Amino acid sequence: DTEVTQTPKHLVMGMTNKKSLKCEQHMGHRAMYWYKQKAKKPPELMFVYSYEKLSINESVPSRFSPECPNSSLLNLHLHALQPEDSALYLCASSQVFAGGLSDTQYFGPGTRLTVL
Amino acid sequence: AQSVTQPDIHITVSEGASLELRCNYSYGATPYLFWYVQSPGQGLQLLLKYFSGDTLVQGIKGFEAEFKRSQSSFNLRKPSVHWSDAAEYFCAVGLGGGKLIFGQGTELSVKP
Repeated sequence: DTEVTQTPKHLVMGMTNKKSLKCEQHMGHRAMYWYKQKAKKPPELMFVYSYEKLSINESVPSRFSPECPNSSLLNLHLHALQPEDSALYLCASSQVFAGGLSDTQYFGPGTRLTVL
Repeated sequence: AQSVTQPDIHITVSEGASLELRCNYSYGATPYLFWYVQSPGQGLQLLLKYFSGDTLVQGIKGFEAEFKRSQSSFNLRKPSVHWSDAAEYFCAVGLGGGKLIFGQGTELSVKP
């Protein structure tokens, strides 16, 4: 099973709202990722969690707050977003080996976020 | 600096025709190479990957890719395209540590 699930599929929020995106995987992977993807562009890495600890933050604004409550779940808390934050947000997961994180990442279907 | 180039932004092929999508990379070490496909509004699906060994790798949906070190290329091929193959295709290089560098993508259209 190589499935990563994400909820909700679509989200519309105002700039003063607080919302959360959720991601779940049951592949036993210990690394999880958040990406942002604008239309007609490749995904851009935002955060990486390894063993439930944040290992990479690609200088993402603090209005995006990730959380990894356990090895299967990854959340992205959103607050005071801007219209330019509208995008497809993708979650991914991968194994972790002794030498580091595997580069083979499995992606979820994404959450389409619109900020009004 | 590491980079991935997909020279073709958009390709149109007829259904049943063969397909080749180009990917060139710049990376100092032996690369980990991937091809992903993305249907509109969907996530990325892993088609195939190359780590080492046989330079011709087989993937899902009838796709294959060939690693050519001398040309720094990892082109994706399919002998007969189906209408359902219409999508965006991304080539990526793995840097290790969970970081992927993606190309800009190639949009494939299939005409009947």
